[in-house]
Amino acid sequence: QKEVEQNSGPLSVPEGAIASLNCTYSDRGSQSFFWYRQYSGKSPELIMFIYSNGDKEDGRFTAQLNKASQYVSLLIRDSQPSDSATYLCAVRGFKTIFGAGTRLFVKA
Amino acid sequence: SQTIHQWPATLVQPVGSPLSLECTVEGTSNPNLYWYRQAAGRGLQLLFYSVGIGQISSEVPQNLSASRPQDRQFILSSKKLLLSDSGFYLCAWNDRQAYGYTFGSGTRLTVV
Repeated sequence: QKEVEQNSGPLSVPEGAIASLNCTYSDRGSQSFFWYRQYSGKSPELIMFIYSNGDKEDGRFTAQLNKASQYVSLLIRDSQPSDSATYLCAVRGFKTIFGAGTRLFVKA
Repeated sequence: SQTIHQWPATLVQPVGSPLSLECTVEGTSNPNLYWYRQAAGRGLQLLFYSVGIGQISSEVPQNLSASRPQDRQFILSSKKLLLSDSGFYLCAWNDRQAYGYTFGSGTRLTVV
């Protein structure tokens, strides 16, 4: 059974801090890795994708991938209350599998 | 630009009633189309995907079915709803298997 694991949270950080969201996966053949943001009652929105080991930065977001450890993370710098949402990790090997998500709460 | 439309936004249906949810994509050709379901506090469960007209792959055996009558139209159906069919149904598309998805706005289905 291929799995994607995330801590359900909630992860609470103060405004301006760095939020660190983590995800592990079981399928060593996975090739593509995605982070989606889902506000309460809304559909998921793709915010980051990464294919190679290392870091990928886009504005305040940094995705980190370590295929040897089967680990992908999302860092949000200068967290804002508007970043409060559930963050879904998705991993694609033969199929795309989603984690259950981590709830992030940014306190003003 | 590409857009995805999904309707209705909310639906309350009695047990045993039929279901039809529709999704259309604009601004692209031959998209890959997907139906997902999200139960409360759970991850996304892939129900069906389609890589072309009339081509449907089912991921979960249940009382749901899907059809793709046109290139950019994807329909999720049921003949008789069960209580366990309640959830948030999401249509999504991409144009390469390796790419991320763009989701529709979702349909919140409550079976009573």
